[in-house]
Amino acid sequence: EPEVTQTPSHQVTQMGQEVILRCVPISNHLYFYWYRQILGQKVEFLVSFYNNEISEKSEIFDDQFSVERPDGSNFTLKIRSTKLEDSAMYFCASSGLTTGPDTQYFGPGTRLTVL
Amino acid sequence: KNQVEQSPQSLIILEGKNCTLQCNYTVSPFSNLRWYKQDTGRGPVSLTIMTFSENTKSNGRYTATLDADTKQSSLHITASQLSDSASYICVVSANTGGFKTIFGAGTRLFVKA
Repeated sequence: EPEVTQTPSHQVTQMGQEVILRCVPISNHLYFYWYRQILGQKVEFLVSFYNNEISEKSEIFDDQFSVERPDGSNFTLKIRSTKLEDSAMYFCASSGLTTGPDTQYFGPGTRLTVL
Repeated sequence: KNQVEQSPQSLIILEGKNCTLQCNYTVSPFSNLRWYKQDTGRGPVSLTIMTFSENTKSNGRYTATLDADTKQSSLHITASQLSDSASYICVVSANTGGFKTIFGAGTRLFVKA
């Protein structure tokens, strides 16, 4: 069964450094998402992406964050200058339909630790 | 304000028993409601999706209900298994032109032998 993959599984970085989290969505999907989950807290929506542009973003997704689909398979989340509070699990998800209640398939997550 | 509230916060049941998890929401305009299962340290896995017109939907031992009038949903788990131990998350999407997605905090279910 096709699945969303994410790399790395765990990223440790120093405060102020840039990090890029990578995701490979399911190949025929059109809608891509990033979520984060701070330890012990609920999952929070960051951004959705369709047709090579951001379709929706949350208040969390400020200028420090950016997303990109550099080729036909990868979907990346960049944090330009990491802060301690960026430490969290970051989940990528993809879905097939452009609108409507389609199932979002989540990746296994990347645990980001900012020191 | 768009919110999703889940209860109970945690629940312990014996293997083989049934349980029901609750979700209340104030998301508007409502688009759809999903239930996810999340194992510790893993990504959420979709269990059910329901739109405004759907009252109930089943997926194996999982049955979700939706009352769009009272803005309530429940997830019923039948004949629980040890592997059902996980967090169950209610997620509601609002149709705001794009799709705003609001997650509940989840119910942590522990199934004991």
